[in-house]
Amino acid sequence: GNSVTQMEGPVTLSEEAFLTINCTYTATGYPSLFWYVQYPGEGLQLLLKATKADDKGSNKGFEATYRKETTSFHLEKGSVQVSDSAVYFCALRRGTGANNLFFGTGTRLTVIP
Amino acid sequence: SQTIHQWPATLVQPVGSPLSLECTVEGTSNPNLYWYRQAAGRGLQLLFYSVGIGQISSEVPQNLSASRPQDRQFILSSKKLLLSDSGFYLCAWTLTGAANYGYTFGSGTRLTVV
Repeated sequence: GNSVTQMEGPVTLSEEAFLTINCTYTATGYPSLFWYVQYPGEGLQLLLKATKADDKGSNKGFEATYRKETTSFHLEKGSVQVSDSAVYFCALRRGTGANNLFFGTGTRLTVIP
Repeated sequence: SQTIHQWPATLVQPVGSPLSLECTVEGTSNPNLYWYRQAAGRGLQLLFYSVGIGQISSEVPQNLSASRPQDRQFILSSKKLLLSDSGFYLCAWTLTGAANYGYTFGSGTRLTVV
């Protein structure tokens, strides 16, 4: 079946530290992969996506590369800021059906000054 | 451009009272629509989804129901709320048949049942 396994949190980093949040997936065929961010008290926002192998999604200094050989889509940022404190969700979408977006459990990131 | 509206933003309701949360989408036609719930500090639980007017699929049997009276309107309801219905409710939409699109989420409704 289709599933996403995400790095357990919470993660606490100092400002300007390097961030990696691991995400691996199980899927048949070639899913599209997404990272969503949820700031406190808000809905989810699409942060970045990649739709085929070796694609790199990027936005707001965050990057993730679609690695088919390792079935991974790890989120990285070179220098985090306090404003990056949020919950990050990895997700995959497989096929064109209506119920086909599978989320990881989310990773809470706290950045301290 | 497409937008999604969800209201109210917060709601405090007594146990046993009814519930109605509304979600509307603008700027697109025939979207797939979704209701999710997020318990405090937890992940996302898909409650209902709809591929068209009057078509509702339920993922989790519970005290809630959903309806889609118009193409871009999705309503989450309950006749009698339970304490366990408390949570953060999120509406989302996506293009029908578009595998490369993610879902777009509303800003959420925080429901507290007291």
